[in-house]
Amino acid sequence: GAVVSQHPSRVICKSGTSVKIECRSLDFQATTMFWYRQFPKKSLMLMATSNEGSKATYEQGVEKDKFLINHASLTLSTLTVTSAHPEDSSFYICSARTSGRAGTQYFGPGTRLLVL
Amino acid sequence: ILNVEQSPQSLHVQEGDSTNFTCSFPSSNFYALHWYRWETAKSPEALFVMTLNGDEKKKGRISATLNTKEGYSYLYIKGSQPEDSATYLCAFTNTGNQFYFGTGTSLTVIP
Repeated sequence: GAVVSQHPSRVICKSGTSVKIECRSLDFQATTMFWYRQFPKKSLMLMATSNEGSKATYEQGVEKDKFLINHASLTLSTLTVTSAHPEDSSFYICSARTSGRAGTQYFGPGTRLLVL
Repeated sequence: ILNVEQSPQSLHVQEGDSTNFTCSFPSSNFYALHWYRWETAKSPEALFVMTLNGDEKKKGRISATLNTKEGYSYLYIKGSQPEDSATYLCAFTNTGNQFYFGTGTSLTVIP
């Protein structure tokens, strides 16, 4: 089956620093990857759609200058949380989508970010 | 804003009971309907994807049906087991190829 990895799985950083999270599709190529954030006791909130070779599409209310997304290859997308603040602490999950109408999203294991 | 609704929000059943829950989505611009199983501390796992009205999919004790004309899908679990405890998410894809997730149904199977 399709496997998506995410690194790091957990990160603790100081307020004001930047954190990069990597999402890789290990056994398939993904032209489209997604970045989600999970708020406590809530479902997944789509932050942005990452398209290989082009700019990411951000959902309403998500600051693109704060959450930088780069999709440089068909197997790698990165999310950089710039100048992180405690309110950015959350669980971030990426997914990569297989192609075709029945293309489904395969999720990474998630990254737990804690900003002190 | 596109609404994908799931009901009930949470559900407790006894081991061995069968159960089902609903995903409602817009009937226009339908492309595909996905079901995911999401266990605590893990990432969502794809269960089914359905694209045609009347589709039925089955995986072990879990099955799903699709009605695109009225905009709903049912997920059935037969003979629930404690390991079925998870949040079940549905996601609607429109012809613009955008994914919209429901808020999930949290299932707890009591031994």
